[in-house]
Formats: sequence, C-alpha cells, structure tokens
Amino acid sequence: RKEVEQDPGPFNVPEGATVAFNCTYSNSASQSFFWYRQDCRKEPKLLMSVYSSGNEDGRFTAQLNRASQYISLLIRDSKLSDSATYLCVSSTDSWGKLQFGAGTQVVVTP
Amino acid sequence: DVKVTQSSRYLVKRTGEKVFLECVQDMDHENMFWYRQDPGLGLRLIYFSYDVKMKEKGDIPEGYSVSREKKERFSLILESASTNQTSMYLCASSSPRQGSEKLFFGSGTQLSVL
Repeated sequence: RKEVEQDPGPFNVPEGATVAFNCTYSNSASQSFFWYRQDCRKEPKLLMSVYSSGNEDGRFTAQLNRASQYISLLIRDSKLSDSATYLCVSSTDSWGKLQFGAGTQVVVTP
Repeated sequence: DVKVTQSSRYLVKRTGEKVFLECVQDMDHENMFWYRQDPGLGLRLIYFSYDVKMKEKGDIPEGYSVSREKKERFSLILESASTNQTSMYLCASSSPRQGSEKLFFGSGTQLSVL
C-alpha cells in the first residue's frame, strides 16, 4: 500500500468554479504535509505547506485532518492556468525526505 | 533562482549498460535527492544525501548507486541497466536554511532501457 494515496482524477472544472480534493496518508508518524504542483512534462514545484490549523494562500486553501489522516486542497475561482497535477506530500522528518502521492489531475476548461 | 541541472533530457541505453545520470545545483544546497517517477506510482525516492561524501538509501535503492564527491554534484549510477529501470528520473535539492521540504527539482531525464 502506498504511503500517500490520491484520486488520480481528472477533475474537470469550469473556469471560475471551485474544486476540492483529498489525499490520505497511512503513516501516523507523518509530521509535515505539503502540496506540490506539476505541470505537464515539467518538474514538480512546491505549492504550499499544510498546517494543522488550515491555511490559505490566495485562492488555495489546505486543510489537515490528523484524526482521519487526510489532507485536502481547495481551489477557488479556478483559472485555466490552474490546470496541472497536484501532488500530495508527507514527511516524517525535518530533513526533506518526502513521500509523494501519485497526483490528482485538474483540468480547468473555458 | 535555484537552478538544478540534469545532464540529459532524454537517454536511450541498452540492457546491461552502465548508466550515469548527473545532477548539478548552483545554490549551495546541502541536501540532494534522486527520485524516479512512473505513471500511477508517483515519485519514489531512490537515494539522498545530506552532505558531501554522504549517502542514504531511499525507498527503492536496489539496482542503483550514487556518488557525491562535491557539494553541488550528485550522480546516480545504474550499474547494469535493466528494462524495469525505464523511467523519468528527477534530481532535487534543498537546504535547511530555506526549509528542507522545499525541494527544487531539475527538469528530469527520461531514460529508456531497451
């Protein structure tokens, strides 16, 4: 079983709509969580960290539910440029050794 | 901006060949990583290094080795390439000064083993 599981999608979203998706993690020792974004045929890039209290970065909101061991990402007012694969990431240490999910594909349509 | 450079974008090798994948970063990062990315499996950690001359096995080290003789360079070696090593290989670096979890990736090497 993979340590981080994600719905692969695709999530097809009309421009301007809201989309939300989750990922689950199996290692209860996981301490830190992140969302990375990967555009088609490009390298992954850090989108945002996920804090216990939940956090926002512009149109993006991340939530962590430790009891149920899942993380969520919500994108408001979707833009065409939000089309990408979103990688859920967990870590059990502070040294940068990360566990990546296989990604959730989001396609924003005009 | 951090630049992580991988030596080749595409590489085709034959079964049994020794393969070297090179990665160089220009931001004096302490941490360097090698991942492979396969459809449906995501990124899987092969090896990582927190300092020069130092290496640690990741989740799937079998069939691979690494070398870190200089801080800026981290090489991945396939001693005897096999078809199941056909994959996209991604190198990354990070630093505790900026947050070790903020990985900067190279653009990847698509390796095909025939």
